[in-house]
Amino acid sequence: QITLKESGPTLVKPTQTLTLTCTFSGFSLNSDGVGVAWIRQPPGKALEWLALIFWDDDTRYSPSLKSRLTITKDTSKNQVVLTMTNMDPLDTATYYCAHSDYGGNWFDPWGQGTLVSVSS
Amino acid sequence: DIQLTQSPSSLSASVGDRVTFTCQASQDITNYLNWYQQKPGKAPKLLIYDASSLATGVPSRFSGSGSGTDFTFTISSLQADDIGTYYCQQYDTSFTFGPGTKVDIK
Repeated sequence: QITLKESGPTLVKPTQTLTLTCTFSGFSLNSDGVGVAWIRQPPGKALEWLALIFWDDDTRYSPSLKSRLTITKDTSKNQVVLTMTNMDPLDTATYYCAHSDYGGNWFDPWGQGTLVSVSS
Repeated sequence: DIQLTQSPSSLSASVGDRVTFTCQASQDITNYLNWYQQKPGKAPKLLIYDASSLATGVPSRFSGSGSGTDFTFTISSLQADDIGTYYCQQYDTSFTFGPGTKVDIK
């Protein structure tokens, strides 16, 4: 059974850097075709894909947020880390990580999500 | 960027009704489209991948069709447990989600 869980701060101040960790089990990020993605959802709004890292260290980023995002993996710890710089109140959202297979075409399953608020 | 539009934005139907809603892409994405269900307060769940393939363990009352720019999602017999918001997602170029269709029970 594949499970993922997000962790990190619930509150950050504007201009700070957000660091979120996705800890997973039930699969290996060393396996061909496997990846882990980050997706966010502002309160009451739609989903927005942020980043994806593959088993071979290939990374993909949202074009609109690429300059602010970094995604890395630690396969020994079964973790994927997302950093987002220069946080703004508009970045307030629930942040999800999700498993991706078959080359990263869809996201299944997802973690429960973690709400991050940006406020001074 | 590929944009996705979903219609309607919300609908209300009775248990047992056949429910259909659509997702339109701003350019041809062949069949590179997935559908997710998000129940209130929960994470999204994959229902359909590659426009028409049912994800593992998903009830057969859910189905998807379409190709190119126009896609349809159908619930053949709406159940009370089906309330939530349904999102389409393309993976032809990067990844984009649609704005969602909210489904509730009349």
